[in-house]
Amino acid sequence: DAGVIQSPRHEVTEMGQEVTLRCKPISGHNSLFWYRQTMMRGLELLIYFNNNVPIDDSGMPEDRFSAKMPNASFSTLKIQPSEPRDSAVYFCASSLRLAGGETQYFGPGTRLLVL
Amino acid sequence: EDQVTQSPEALRLQEGESSSLNCSYTVSGLRGLFWYRQDPGKGPEFLFTLYSAGEEKEKERLKATLTKKESFLHITAPKPEDSATYLCAVQAGVDTGRRALTFGSGTRLQVQP
Repeated sequence: DAGVIQSPRHEVTEMGQEVTLRCKPISGHNSLFWYRQTMMRGLELLIYFNNNVPIDDSGMPEDRFSAKMPNASFSTLKIQPSEPRDSAVYFCASSLRLAGGETQYFGPGTRLLVL
Repeated sequence: EDQVTQSPEALRLQEGESSSLNCSYTVSGLRGLFWYRQDPGKGPEFLFTLYSAGEEKEKERLKATLTKKESFLHITAPKPEDSATYLCAVQAGVDTGRRALTFGSGTRLQVQP
C-alpha cells in the first residue's frame, strides 16, 4: 500500500525563484497537512485541508507561501519568491478523520535549499 | 499555548540496556498523544497513539504510557536498529477542533552493539 508521496525529494534554487512542492496523500484519506521542519523550530504545521478545503492556514509564514488542493489526490505548496530562510524540510501528511480520532501519516519530505 | 518538552535530548545505550524517554506536555483539551520515530533523511514514522491517562500500548521492544502530564516511551533490550530520533506530539483542542500536531524537539537515541 503506497504511503504519502512527495516530489521533488530535493530542491536547490536561488533566492527569488518560485518553488513548487507536490504531495499525493494516501488513497481514501480526507485530510492533508503541510509541515516544515528546521533545526531551530522543529516540526511546525503550515496549513491543513479537510475534504480539499483549507481549514487552518495560521502557520503559513507570509504571503509568499500558498497552498492548494484541487482534488483529493493532489496538493501543492508554492513559495514565490523564495528566500534563504525558507530552507528546510517540508513534509506532507495525510489522515482519515474519524469520530474516534485520527493518525497523521507523513511522507518522506522535500529538502529545500534556497541559495 | 500548547507545549511539548522531551528529555533527554540525546541518549546513548548499549545493546540490551533498557531505558525510558520522557515527554511532558501542557495542552488544552488533549485529543491524543502521538509517538513517532524519525530516521535520518526520512519522514516521521507513526508508532503509537494514546488518548487517555492510564492507557498503555506496546509494539515489539517499545511500550508507551500516558499520565495527565507526561508520557513515557520505554525501550526494553534495545537493538542497534532502534537508533533513531523519537518524536512526541500532542493534538489538542477537544473543544475547538484544532487538529495541528504540536511536536517536541525529539530524543536522539543511539544504541551501540
